[in-house]
Amino acid sequence: ELKVEQNPLFLSMQEGKNYTIYCNYSTTSDRLYWYRQDPGKSLESLFVLLSNGAVKQEGRLMASLDTKARLSTLHITAAVHDLSATYFCAVERNTDKLIFGTGTRLQVFP
Amino acid sequence: DAMVIQNPRYQVTQFGKPVTLSCSQTLNHNVMYWYQQKSSQAPKLLFHYYDKDFNNEADTPDNFQSRRPNTSFCFLDIRSPGLGDAAMYLCATSRAPIETQYFGPGTRLLVL
Repeated sequence: ELKVEQNPLFLSMQEGKNYTIYCNYSTTSDRLYWYRQDPGKSLESLFVLLSNGAVKQEGRLMASLDTKARLSTLHITAAVHDLSATYFCAVERNTDKLIFGTGTRLQVFP
Repeated sequence: DAMVIQNPRYQVTQFGKPVTLSCSQTLNHNVMYWYQQKSSQAPKLLFHYYDKDFNNEADTPDNFQSRRPNTSFCFLDIRSPGLGDAAMYLCATSRAPIETQYFGPGTRLLVL
């Protein structure tokens, strides 16, 4: 059974600081997604990582994938308040479904 | 703009009273998904349609049913809602099973 775990579950960080969210998964998969969810809202697609070593960047967020280690990271550079949200990674299972991670709730304070 | 639309955005029902949630899409995607998300938890896949083929998750309760009358619409029927079914219900679509899923705004269900 594919399991997807994220850490930390909660992250409170100061504006301007850097931090990394980790996503580990238990079985082989070559496709990993990162989503953002604001409180009470739906999920917004951030990145899709398609192969080992893939790196994608958008603004202050950068995601990477290491399929051999079954690990993806979401790095936050110089955090700002607007980044406060819950971030989910999701791993493809059986080429037709996504299994979501536990989520990381990020709060950025001044 | 192409999008995924869910109606209603908020639904209040009584314990045991059937309820139907609606999802429509203008993306012309082949796959439509229904997720249940409870507070502070990850979305949990209930079932999905790939064109007209229905795929139920093994642990989805029988209380939950779905219909997809055409490409654009998909419905989630909860036959006898219990208090434990209160949650956000998210509809998502993708062009193909292995491609990015696009989520609707969700329907928040409250069961009294």
